[in-house]
Amino acid sequence: DTEVTQTPKHLVMGMTNKKSLKCEQHMGHRAMYWYKQKAKKPPELMFVYSYEKLSINESVPSRFSPECPNSSLLNLHLHALQPEDSALYLCASSWAGEETQYFGPGTRLLVL
Amino acid sequence: AQSVTQLDSQVPVFEEAPVELRCNYSSSVSVYLFWYVQYPNQGLQLLLKYLSGSTLVKGINGFEAEFNKSQTSFHLRKPSVHISDTAEYFCAVTLGGGKLIFGQGTELSVKP
Repeated sequence: DTEVTQTPKHLVMGMTNKKSLKCEQHMGHRAMYWYKQKAKKPPELMFVYSYEKLSINESVPSRFSPECPNSSLLNLHLHALQPEDSALYLCASSWAGEETQYFGPGTRLLVL
Repeated sequence: AQSVTQLDSQVPVFEEAPVELRCNYSSSVSVYLFWYVQYPNQGLQLLLKYLSGSTLVKGINGFEAEFNKSQTSFHLRKPSVHISDTAEYFCAVTLGGGKLIFGQGTELSVKP
């Protein structure tokens, strides 16, 4: 089973709202990733967690706050977003030290 | 620095015709190579990967790719496409450490 699940599928939020995106995998992967994808563009890496510790932050604005509460779960907390943050947010996971990443279906976010 | 170039942004093809989607990468060291497919309004699905070993890699849905180190290429091929293959295809490369570098994508459009 190579399934990564993401909730919600769609999210609409105002610029003053606080919301969270959730990602879950039960494959025993110890590395998890957040990507942002704008329309007609490739995914851009935001964060990497390895063994529940943040290992890569690609200079993402602080209005995006990742959290990895356990080895199966990855959250992305959103606060005071801008309309340009509207995008598809993809989660991925892999075995630590193994390069193949498996992606979830994404959360499509619209910031009004 | 690594980079990935997908030489065609759009590839229109008729059903049951063969197709080749081209990918070139730039790196002075060994890399790992991937092809992902993204259907409309979905996440990325792994088609195939080259980590080591045989340079001809077979993937899902009848796709295959050949790693050519001298030409730094990893072109994706399918001998006979179906309407259902219409999607965006991304080539990606990594040196390791979790940072996938994606090409700009190729939109494959299969016409009846």
